[in-house]
Order: sequence, then C-alpha cells, then structure tokens
Amino acid sequence: GENVEQHPSTLSVQEGDSAVIKCTYSDSASNYFPWYKQELGKRPQLIIDIRSNVGEKKDQRIAVTLNKTAKHFSLHITETQPEDSAVYFCAASIGNQFYFGTGTSLTVIP
Amino acid sequence: GAVVSQHPSRVICKSGTSVKIECRSLDFQATTMFWYRQFPKQSLMLMATSNEGSKATYEQGVEKDKFLINHASLTLSTLTVTSAHPEDSSFYICSARDWRGGQSEKLFFGSGTQLSVL
Repeated sequence: GENVEQHPSTLSVQEGDSAVIKCTYSDSASNYFPWYKQELGKRPQLIIDIRSNVGEKKDQRIAVTLNKTAKHFSLHITETQPEDSAVYFCAASIGNQFYFGTGTSLTVIP
Repeated sequence: GAVVSQHPSRVICKSGTSVKIECRSLDFQATTMFWYRQFPKQSLMLMATSNEGSKATYEQGVEKDKFLINHASLTLSTLTVTSAHPEDSSFYICSARDWRGGQSEKLFFGSGTQLSVL
C-alpha cells in the first residue's frame, strides 16, 4: 500500500519568516494530495490541495508544489503569523483511500 | 466546503459501557465515510471505511466486534464502541468525501469525539 512520510515533525519559525513542510509518497498511482491544518482538539481543516496533473498551486500565503517524478510534495507558508501555529498533515489519495503523513507541529514565534 | 457534523464532542463513561458516536454529512450525501482514531500529538489512524448499505471495511488490527459501524443512510454513519475500556480512550474523528461536481476528491472531517473511559 501507499506510504507517506512527512518532515520535519516539529518546526519553529519567527513571525514573518517562511515555513516549508515536505512529504514523500511511495505509490505512483496516487493522484490527489491535500494538506490539512489541525489545531489542538479541533478537526483537521483542508487548507490546500493539488492534483497529480498540476505542479504548483497557490492560495494567498500558502502554496503547494508537487514533483511526480521524485514522488514528493511540499507545503510552503510565507509571511507566517502566530495563528498559523498548528499541526499540519499531508495526505496522498488513491481511489477512495487517503494515506496521511505523521504530521508537523508548526510554532510561529511572535 | 462541505459540512460534516459529529456528536457527541466529548464522552466520559464507565468501563464496560457502550458509546455511540454519530457522523452526519449535512449538505451532501456520502456513500463512504471514514473513521479515524487519533492519539495525542499523533497522526490520524484509519480504523474503518463505512459504506452505505453494506458492511464496513476494517483496517488490520481493528476489532470489528468492538468497534461496530453502521451506515444506514447516505448522510449518517455511526461508530459504537462496545464494552469500552480505558485503553479505548482516544479522539475519534469521522470524515466523508463530497462527490459533488468539482469537489470529488475533497475529504471533510467531523469535529471529533473525545472519549474518556474511567
């Protein structure tokens, strides 16, 4: 089955700096890659996603890049703010199944 | 995005009792829903895939007789933790895919249920 690895597990950045979280996947059949933000005790919220036929997608301060050849995708957050502090999960989807990364705890230091 | 409602948000129960958790898709129909378990500061662990009108598909290591799943309608799936014990204490989250046009891949989550078994 699919195996999704996510790095780093924790990340601290100064407010205003950029944050990058990376994920790799193993199954080339994966064709959809969402990113979720989860605050403590809350539900994961979809923040951005990308399909396998697209290399990059941007939504304001958040962007995702996908390298199908290398089987990795990354989340980029620019101009970080304290409210960006949360746990971020990547996922890879094949058919009806989603496979999640282990999460990255992001702390933005004011 | 689509709305997935989950109730209750928190349950405290005595060991040996059963607890039912409901997951509803409020503004769309979901033929498939997923149930996850999440330990503190850990990722989402898929427990089972709930299919409307048929038996759920359980992941390896998940006891189907302990975690009963019923998906009787296109908008409701329930997870019943039978004879709960302290080791069952966890955060349980459901999710569903919204297959409406243009959003076929998107997975939306319920708000989660924190189960504490005394």
